[in-house]
Amino acid sequence: EDQVTQSPEALRLQEGESSSLNCSYTVSGLRGLFWYRQDPGKGPEFLFTLYSAGEEKEKERLKATLTKKESFLHITAPKPEDSATYLCAVPNAGNNRKLIWGLGTSLAVNP
Amino acid sequence: DGGITQSPKYLFRKEGQNVTLSCEQNLNHDAMYWYRQDPGQGLRLIYYSQIVNDFQKGDIAEGYSVSREKKESFPLTVTSAQKNPTAFYLCASSPRTGVNTEAFFGQGTRLTVV
Repeated sequence: EDQVTQSPEALRLQEGESSSLNCSYTVSGLRGLFWYRQDPGKGPEFLFTLYSAGEEKEKERLKATLTKKESFLHITAPKPEDSATYLCAVPNAGNNRKLIWGLGTSLAVNP
Repeated sequence: DGGITQSPKYLFRKEGQNVTLSCEQNLNHDAMYWYRQDPGQGLRLIYYSQIVNDFQKGDIAEGYSVSREKKESFPLTVTSAQKNPTAFYLCASSPRTGVNTEAFFGQGTRLTVV
Protein backbone atom coordinates (compact mmCIF):
# COMPACT_ATOMS: atom_id res chain seq x y z
CA GLU A 1 0.00 0.00 0.00
CA ASP A 2 1.26 3.45 -0.91
CA GLN A 3 2.17 5.37 2.20
CA VAL A 4 3.85 8.57 3.33
CA THR A 5 5.30 8.86 6.84
CA GLN A 6 6.68 12.05 8.33
CA SER A 7 8.91 12.30 11.38
CA PRO A 8 9.14 13.63 13.92
CA GLU A 9 5.50 14.53 14.60
CA ALA A 10 6.63 17.63 16.44
CA LEU A 11 9.93 19.45 16.78
CA ARG A 12 10.90 22.34 18.99
CA LEU A 13 14.08 24.27 18.16
CA GLN A 14 15.85 27.29 19.49
CA GLU A 15 16.37 30.12 17.04
CA GLY A 16 19.52 29.32 15.04
CA GLU A 17 19.46 25.60 15.86
CA SER A 18 19.54 23.72 12.54
CA SER A 19 17.69 20.43 12.06
CA SER A 20 16.01 18.16 9.51
CA LEU A 21 12.52 16.84 8.93
CA ASN A 22 11.97 13.47 7.31
CA CYS A 23 9.41 12.24 4.80
CA SER A 24 9.64 8.55 3.92
CA TYR A 25 7.45 6.97 1.26
CA THR A 26 6.53 3.59 -0.13
CA VAL A 27 5.33 4.27 -3.65
CA SER A 28 6.49 2.42 -6.73
CA GLY A 29 7.59 4.58 -9.61
CA LEU A 30 7.85 7.92 -7.84
CA ARG A 31 6.48 10.72 -9.99
CA GLY A 32 7.47 13.59 -7.76
CA LEU A 33 7.46 14.61 -4.11
CA PHE A 34 5.98 17.86 -2.84
CA TRP A 35 6.76 19.86 0.27
CA TYR A 36 4.30 22.38 1.70
CA ARG A 37 4.19 24.68 4.69
CA GLN A 38 0.93 25.20 6.56
CA ASP A 39 0.27 27.89 9.15
CA PRO A 40 -2.55 27.38 11.68
CA GLY A 41 -5.98 27.99 10.17
CA LYS A 42 -4.61 28.54 6.66
CA GLY A 43 -4.16 26.56 3.48
CA PRO A 44 -0.86 24.85 2.66
CA GLU A 45 1.73 26.95 0.86
CA PHE A 46 3.78 25.24 -1.83
CA LEU A 47 7.52 25.03 -1.16
CA PHE A 48 9.25 22.49 -3.41
CA THR A 49 8.82 19.72 -5.94
CA LEU A 50 11.50 17.03 -6.26
CA TYR A 51 11.41 14.53 -9.11
CA SER A 52 14.48 12.30 -8.93
CA ALA A 53 16.89 10.86 -6.39
CA GLY A 54 19.78 13.19 -5.76
CA GLU A 55 17.82 16.31 -6.56
CA GLU A 56 18.07 19.25 -4.17
CA LYS A 57 16.19 22.54 -3.99
CA GLU A 58 16.69 25.54 -1.75
CA LYS A 59 14.62 28.48 -0.61
CA GLU A 60 15.97 30.85 2.00
CA ARG A 61 16.72 28.73 5.08
CA LEU A 62 15.13 25.58 3.66
CA LYS A 63 16.73 22.88 1.56
CA ALA A 64 14.89 19.80 0.33
CA THR A 65 16.67 16.63 -0.76
CA LEU A 66 15.40 13.36 -2.23
CA THR A 67 16.62 9.76 -2.15
CA LYS A 68 14.91 6.65 -3.47
CA LYS A 69 13.06 6.10 -0.20
CA GLU A 70 12.83 9.42 1.57
CA SER A 71 13.12 13.16 1.46
CA PHE A 72 14.61 15.54 3.98
CA LEU A 73 13.74 19.15 4.63
CA HIS A 74 16.79 20.77 6.17
CA ILE A 75 16.24 23.97 8.11
CA THR A 76 19.38 26.04 8.62
CA ALA A 77 19.51 28.62 11.40
CA PRO A 78 15.72 28.77 11.76
CA LYS A 79 13.85 31.85 12.89
CA PRO A 80 10.56 32.03 14.81
CA GLU A 81 8.72 32.83 11.57
CA ASP A 82 9.66 29.35 10.31
CA SER A 83 7.27 27.89 12.88
CA ALA A 84 4.57 25.98 11.00
CA THR A 85 3.50 22.48 10.05
CA TYR A 86 5.45 21.04 7.14
CA LEU A 87 3.64 18.57 4.91
CA CYS A 88 4.91 16.26 2.21
CA ALA A 89 2.92 14.43 -0.46
CA VAL A 90 3.53 12.02 -3.32
CA PRO A 91 1.34 10.94 -6.25
CA ASN A 92 -0.52 7.67 -5.83
CA ALA A 93 1.01 4.97 -8.02
CA GLY A 94 -2.40 3.60 -9.00
CA ASN A 95 -3.95 6.94 -9.90
CA ASN A 96 -1.36 9.63 -10.28
CA ARG A 97 -3.99 12.35 -10.14
CA LYS A 98 -4.34 11.67 -6.43
CA LEU A 99 -1.79 12.70 -3.83
CA ILE A 100 -0.94 10.74 -0.69
CA TRP A 101 -0.27 13.13 2.16
CA GLY A 102 1.79 12.71 5.29
CA LEU A 103 0.47 13.90 8.64
CA GLY A 104 3.06 16.62 8.84
CA THR A 105 5.75 17.78 11.25
CA SER A 106 4.79 20.61 13.55
CA LEU A 107 7.81 22.87 13.97
CA ALA A 108 8.13 25.46 16.72
CA VAL A 109 11.13 27.79 16.76
CA ASN A 110 11.67 29.64 20.01
CA PRO A 111 13.33 33.06 20.02
CA ASP B 1 -3.49 39.48 -7.54
CA GLY B 2 -3.80 35.92 -8.83
CA GLY B 3 -4.91 33.29 -6.41
CA ILE B 4 -7.58 31.01 -5.05
CA THR B 5 -10.41 32.45 -3.01
CA GLN B 6 -12.52 30.34 -0.71
CA SER B 7 -15.59 31.66 1.00
CA PRO B 8 -16.83 31.87 3.60
CA LYS B 9 -13.94 31.45 6.02
CA TYR B 10 -16.26 30.08 8.70
CA LEU B 11 -19.57 28.31 8.14
CA PHE B 12 -22.08 26.88 10.54
CA ARG B 13 -24.57 24.25 9.48
CA LYS B 14 -27.58 22.91 11.24
CA GLU B 15 -28.32 19.21 11.19
CA GLY B 16 -30.07 18.20 7.98
CA GLN B 17 -29.03 21.25 5.98
CA ASN B 18 -27.08 21.37 2.75
CA VAL B 19 -24.37 24.01 2.52
CA THR B 20 -22.22 25.15 -0.38
CA LEU B 21 -18.60 26.20 -0.11
CA SER B 22 -17.29 28.53 -2.77
CA CYS B 23 -13.93 28.24 -4.54
CA GLU B 24 -12.82 30.64 -7.27
CA GLN B 25 -9.44 30.87 -8.98
CA ASN B 26 -8.03 33.45 -11.39
CA LEU B 27 -4.84 31.55 -12.17
CA ASN B 28 -6.24 30.04 -15.39
CA HIS B 29 -5.57 26.59 -13.97
CA ASP B 30 -7.18 23.56 -15.57
CA ALA B 31 -7.36 21.27 -12.55
CA MET B 32 -9.16 21.95 -9.28
CA TYR B 33 -9.46 19.87 -6.13
CA TRP B 34 -11.37 19.70 -2.86
CA TYR B 35 -9.73 18.29 0.25
CA ARG B 36 -10.88 17.75 3.79
CA GLN B 37 -8.48 18.14 6.72
CA ASP B 38 -9.17 16.70 10.17
CA PRO B 39 -6.88 16.75 13.21
CA GLY B 40 -4.53 13.78 13.21
CA GLN B 41 -5.31 12.85 9.60
CA GLY B 42 -3.65 13.73 6.35
CA LEU B 43 -5.45 15.70 3.70
CA ARG B 44 -8.12 13.56 2.08
CA LEU B 45 -9.35 14.12 -1.46
CA ILE B 46 -13.09 14.63 -1.88
CA TYR B 47 -13.45 15.49 -5.57
CA TYR B 48 -11.26 16.71 -8.38
CA SER B 49 -11.85 18.18 -11.81
CA GLN B 50 -9.46 18.27 -14.73
CA ILE B 51 -11.64 20.20 -17.13
CA VAL B 52 -14.89 22.13 -17.27
CA ASN B 53 -18.03 19.97 -17.00
CA ASP B 54 -16.05 16.97 -15.81
CA PHE B 55 -15.12 15.80 -12.32
CA GLN B 56 -14.16 12.59 -10.53
CA LYS B 57 -14.72 11.25 -7.05
CA GLY B 58 -11.81 11.22 -4.67
CA ASP B 59 -11.37 8.97 -1.67
CA ILE B 60 -14.22 10.33 0.47
CA ALA B 61 -16.88 11.62 -1.94
CA GLU B 62 -19.92 10.22 -0.11
CA GLY B 63 -22.16 13.00 1.14
CA TYR B 64 -20.58 15.64 -1.10
CA SER B 65 -21.34 17.01 -4.56
CA VAL B 66 -19.55 19.40 -6.91
CA SER B 67 -19.99 21.18 -10.21
CA ARG B 68 -17.54 22.66 -12.70
CA GLU B 69 -19.54 24.90 -15.01
CA LYS B 70 -16.77 27.46 -15.37
CA LYS B 71 -13.01 27.04 -15.42
CA GLU B 72 -12.63 29.50 -12.54
CA SER B 73 -15.18 27.99 -10.20
CA PHE B 74 -15.50 24.66 -8.37
CA PRO B 75 -18.13 24.85 -5.60
CA LEU B 76 -18.55 22.04 -3.09
CA THR B 77 -21.91 21.16 -1.55
CA VAL B 78 -21.91 19.32 1.74
CA THR B 79 -25.21 17.47 1.85
CA SER B 80 -27.20 16.21 4.80
CA ALA B 81 -25.98 12.72 3.87
CA GLN B 82 -22.51 13.60 5.12
CA LYS B 83 -22.61 12.25 8.66
CA ASN B 84 -19.59 14.03 10.06
CA PRO B 85 -19.14 17.26 8.13
CA THR B 86 -17.33 19.30 10.77
CA ALA B 87 -13.85 19.83 9.30
CA PHE B 88 -11.51 22.25 7.57
CA TYR B 89 -12.12 22.24 3.80
CA LEU B 90 -9.42 23.19 1.34
CA CYS B 91 -9.71 23.98 -2.34
CA ALA B 92 -6.69 23.77 -4.62
CA SER B 93 -5.81 24.21 -8.26
CA SER B 94 -2.91 23.20 -10.47
CA PRO B 95 -1.85 24.49 -13.88
CA ARG B 96 -1.98 21.17 -15.73
CA THR B 97 -3.96 18.03 -15.33
CA GLY B 98 -0.95 15.84 -14.71
CA VAL B 99 -0.46 15.37 -11.01
CA ASN B 100 3.25 15.98 -10.92
CA THR B 101 2.70 19.70 -10.95
CA GLU B 102 2.36 21.67 -7.79
CA ALA B 103 -1.06 22.57 -6.44
CA PHE B 104 -1.93 25.94 -4.94
CA PHE B 105 -4.37 26.15 -2.07
CA GLY B 106 -6.96 28.59 -0.87
CA GLN B 107 -7.17 29.71 2.72
CA GLY B 108 -9.80 27.18 3.66
CA THR B 109 -13.34 27.10 5.03
CA ARG B 110 -13.97 25.81 8.51
CA LEU B 111 -17.37 24.12 8.66
CA THR B 112 -19.03 23.40 11.98
CA VAL B 113 -22.28 21.56 12.55
CA VAL B 114 -24.36 23.11 15.31
